[in-house]
Amino acid sequence: QVQLQESGPGLVKPSETLSLTCTVSGGSVNSGSYYWTWIRQPPGKELEWIGYIDYSGITKYNPSFKRRVTISADTSKHQFSLRLTSVTAADTAVYYCARDDYGGKGDAFDMWGQGTMVTVSS
Amino acid sequence: DIQMTQSPSSLSASVGDRVTITCRASQSISTFLNWYQQKPGNAPNLLIYAASFLQSGVPSRFGGSGSGTDFTLTISSLQPEDFATYYCQQSYSIPSTFGQGTKVEIK
Repeated sequence: QVQLQESGPGLVKPSETLSLTCTVSGGSVNSGSYYWTWIRQPPGKELEWIGYIDYSGITKYNPSFKRRVTISADTSKHQFSLRLTSVTAADTAVYYCARDDYGGKGDAFDMWGQGTMVTVSS
Repeated sequence: DIQMTQSPSSLSASVGDRVTITCRASQSISTFLNWYQQKPGNAPNLLIYAASFLQSGVPSRFGGSGSGTDFTLTISSLQPEDFATYYCQQSYSIPSTFGQGTKVEIK
């Protein structure tokens, strides 16, 4: 049973960099047919797709983040990470890592981490 | 970006009711449409993928239909554990986008 778990600071200062890690247990980020994805949800608002990394290291990002975002993976640690630079209060949200099953479920997010709240404040 | 619009934004229903939630895409997305259920404090949970396929472990009272721009999530007989917020999501093109959510409340 694959499980995902986010970790990282819950408080980040404005203009600094938000860094989160997702640890995949019971599976591997080397697995084909999956995109390893970050999604966020500002308080009381809808979900926003941030981007993904695939098994070969190819990444795709939401253009709305205007080059502030980087997703990387450490296959030896079964982890993938999110880095978001120059944060503002608008980046305050619950951040989820998720598995996108493009191979069997048409790009549906079939596994999610529990989410981690990140607040941007001085 | 493809805009996803859900209706209604909220609804009140009783246990045993049949509930229908609709999702409209701003352009055709074939059947690249997924539905999720989210309860307060929890991550979303996949219910339906590719418009009409039931995710493993999801009760059969949940069903999905539609193609192109118009889609429907139906709960045939609402149960107490179904009171939650439901989101549609298009996976046709990047960036993937979600609807604004439909909150199903107890009447």
